[in-house]
Amino acid sequence: KAGVTQTPRYLIKTRGQQVTLSCSPISGHRSVSWYQQTPGQGLQFLFEYFSETQRNKGNFPGRFSGRQFSNSRSEMNVSTLELGDSALYLCASSSGGRLSYTFGSGTRLTVV
Amino acid sequence: ILNVEQSPQSLHVQEGDSTNFTCSFPSSNFYALHWYRWETAKSPEALFVMTLNGDEKKKGRISATLNTKEGYSYLYIKGSQPEDSATYLCAFMVGGSEKLVFGKGTKLTVNP
Repeated sequence: KAGVTQTPRYLIKTRGQQVTLSCSPISGHRSVSWYQQTPGQGLQFLFEYFSETQRNKGNFPGRFSGRQFSNSRSEMNVSTLELGDSALYLCASSSGGRLSYTFGSGTRLTVV
Repeated sequence: ILNVEQSPQSLHVQEGDSTNFTCSFPSSNFYALHWYRWETAKSPEALFVMTLNGDEKKKGRISATLNTKEGYSYLYIKGSQPEDSATYLCAFMVGGSEKLVFGKGTKLTVNP
């Protein structure tokens, strides 16, 4: 079966712009989580959605937001981009249980 | 603030060597401990999920143990092969949360 698909794979944006990243989970999975990895840091939790509702949120500024659609696809938006937002953004999908997560390959965002 | 520590940060071994890494996590409010294998430019691949103190899991030449009372898990690789070269991540999950708290990983390089 198809895995978790993240688009685009690479993105270059200018400081001050906004960006939207997309994540299509495994068919049947209703939970999507987002993580950020910056150089030298571990994966940091951004937020998690289940059936279109945000259930958990990490310690990120309000410029980071997300949503989930009825088909479980999720988008993450970052407004007013800063240089420090340059990172690899990963999403993971789950059927809703907490013991199995499948990750996508990520979107690498570069802010210049 | 939940903190997950992994050691060593990186490791170079020769083909055929056996090796092990450590993951330390908070011993309170434990729910699960995940291990992932992450090759460059690919998505993190789930290796093990462990939930019970004393759990031991094995997959081929890779095995893991869990001690929730003292807050550590070991990952062992027996007879390392070049294809084992990757970053190995552990992630701690607290009760009542969908959030995975990741360590920074151990980067393993196996030289032929």
